[in-house]
Amino acid sequence: SQKIEQNSEALNIQEGKTATLTCNYTNYSPAYLQWYRQDPGRGPVFLLLIRENEKEKRKERLKVTFDTTLKQSLFHITASQPADSATYLCARGGSYIPTFGRGTSLIVHP
Amino acid sequence: DSGVTQTPKHLITATGQRVTLRCSPRSGDLSVYWYQQSLDQGLQFLIQYYNGEERAKGNILERFSAQQFPDLHSELNLSSLELGDSALYFCASSAPGLAGGDTQYFGPGTRLTVL
Repeated sequence: SQKIEQNSEALNIQEGKTATLTCNYTNYSPAYLQWYRQDPGRGPVFLLLIRENEKEKRKERLKVTFDTTLKQSLFHITASQPADSATYLCARGGSYIPTFGRGTSLIVHP
Repeated sequence: DSGVTQTPKHLITATGQRVTLRCSPRSGDLSVYWYQQSLDQGLQFLIQYYNGEERAKGNILERFSAQQFPDLHSELNLSSLELGDSALYFCASSAPGLAGGDTQYFGPGTRLTVL
């Protein structure tokens, strides 16, 4: 089965630094990967989508990369702020079964 | 606000009971997805409907069933409830076009507590 693996340990960083979250997938490359943000008790919110043939995608302070050799996507938040504290989910797309990782909690300290 | 609505927001019930969760997708979206999220399991895909037809099935128990109606709203029915069914249940919708896995817009969720 296709799996999405994210670091279960929380990532603690200082305000202003760049946060980097990792998403690894198994088996064949998905057509695309998506990143979502989830706050406690709320539904995930879509942030970015990156396709298999794209190396990098940016949106404001967010950047996502897709490395099919490493079977990995990296999600970066530059100039992080305490308001960026949340859980970030990675999901694979392009098949009929949506598969989400369990998410990595990001805590940005002022 | 994602445009996806879910009711009720909270539901408290007893073991053995049956409940119905309701979801209205964003205007124009044909796909509806249901997920279960508990602390130890993460976001688990249950089932997807596309324009009234079942499109994909995930880890949905036989005690659970769903349907999508002609007006595109969807209901998730949970029966013979057990303590372990306590979780957040999310509905999501997506626009027509790509196969399953395209960008999803999540509702606020229904928190189910089984006592």
